[in-house]
Amino acid sequence: SYVLTQPPSVSVAPGQTATIPCGGDNIRSKRVHWYQQRPGQAPVLVIYDNDRPSGIPERFSGSNSGSTATLTISRVEAGDEADYYCQVWDSGSNHRVFGAGTKVTVL
Amino acid sequence: DVQLLESGGGLVQTGESLRLSCAASGFTFSTYAMSWVRQAPGKGLEWVSVISGSGGSAYYADSVKGRFIISRDNSDNTLHLQMNSLSPEDTAIYYCAKDRVSSSSSDSWGQGTLVTVSS
Repeated sequence: SYVLTQPPSVSVAPGQTATIPCGGDNIRSKRVHWYQQRPGQAPVLVIYDNDRPSGIPERFSGSNSGSTATLTISRVEAGDEADYYCQVWDSGSNHRVFGAGTKVTVL
Repeated sequence: DVQLLESGGGLVQTGESLRLSCAASGFTFSTYAMSWVRQAPGKGLEWVSVISGSGGSAYYADSVKGRFIISRDNSDNTLHLQMNSLSPEDTAIYYCAKDRVSSSSSDSWGQGTLVTVSS
């Protein structure tokens, strides 16, 4: 089955840039989506296929090349502290796959 | 505004069944695929199942295939998840989610319903 690999945690100072990688076999051929989940809350879609849903700040962006997709959060704010999950659809198995999640800590 | 309200969670014993429901409003329900995603306590997101807008196709995670059945009633905008042969490993918050058109991503989520399976 398809596996997405994320680092458990990323730390970033306020105002700096956070980059969250998501690795997978030939991931550049897939449409990668990203969710933010704050403690005790439901997930929120922040990036779908490198695009932003309405209402999501421009500080959030996605890219996908080679074997790694990346969520980038520019000018990080305290409110960005959350768990972030990448997700793809594996057409080989007809399964939706989530990464294990990355906890972003704002120092 | 899109609203998704899950119900039906609770405490059950190993081997028992439970039926979750998700009442949807604020969008044309039959146009969108719908998904169930769960999250065990302190763990990450785990996809459970997805059903097409018409209800004609559905897919399941290997961990629930053969035990869970997803269905929908487009006449009253409701999504269901019938869960059979439950085990403690099924203990989780179950989220109902609306999928984007032509995308495997979910752009609206309910607040979740907690299912606890006791051994």
